[in-house]
Amino acid sequence: DSGVTQTPKHLITATGQRVTLRCSPRSGDLSVYWYQQSLDQGLQFLIQYYNGEERAKGNILERFSAQQFPDLHSELNLSSLELGDSALYFCASSPRQGWTGELFFGEGSRLTVL
Amino acid sequence: GQQLNQSPQSMFIQEGEDVSMNCTSSSIFNTWLWYKQDPGEGPVLLIALYKAGELTSNGRLTAQFGTTRKDSFLNISASIPSDVGIYFCAGLRNNAGNMLTFGGGTRLMVKP
Repeated sequence: DSGVTQTPKHLITATGQRVTLRCSPRSGDLSVYWYQQSLDQGLQFLIQYYNGEERAKGNILERFSAQQFPDLHSELNLSSLELGDSALYFCASSPRQGWTGELFFGEGSRLTVL
Repeated sequence: GQQLNQSPQSMFIQEGEDVSMNCTSSSIFNTWLWYKQDPGEGPVLLIALYKAGELTSNGRLTAQFGTTRKDSFLNISASIPSDVGIYFCAGLRNNAGNMLTFGGGTRLMVKP
């Protein structure tokens, strides 16, 4: 158990819909990262937040947005969903800025768009 | 952007065999890390390397930070069925904030 909690674990929805994925980082961790893992593909970095502020942006579509709240939990919003958005979405957390690369991953939210 | 090329993409081996995989880049990285993703779970850190030429072991796993700082290697000795999973290399550059770049992964399958 990494200490990172993601909900929901599974989500099935239709094209054009909007979903919200939720992540609670490990206790005390200030940074939250979102990654997308499509079938048979690697981990694509989407976005990072540190203590409520956006710190880095990767290959995140304009239809996607995220935020980190004062209690440090984060939400990833996916809108106007397309079939290609079906993937595993991972949240990860790390303890501080200037850290040495260890990320603690949640178990992921599997999104299926039909 | 930065890319890490990981090979092989997949391996199907017999239990007891040794495994080698590598990760290469056209860019220099200051830190190399190896993660493992068990089926149905998130990746977990196996080994972190912080200096060029560094060789670090974690049980049956040994990883090396390439001397050019553009590559890294992971070896698994005497594989067992629970080694099954996807192994990801990841690189960190000091001047790239906290952005970890991941390789595409090596899917390892072990036949008992």
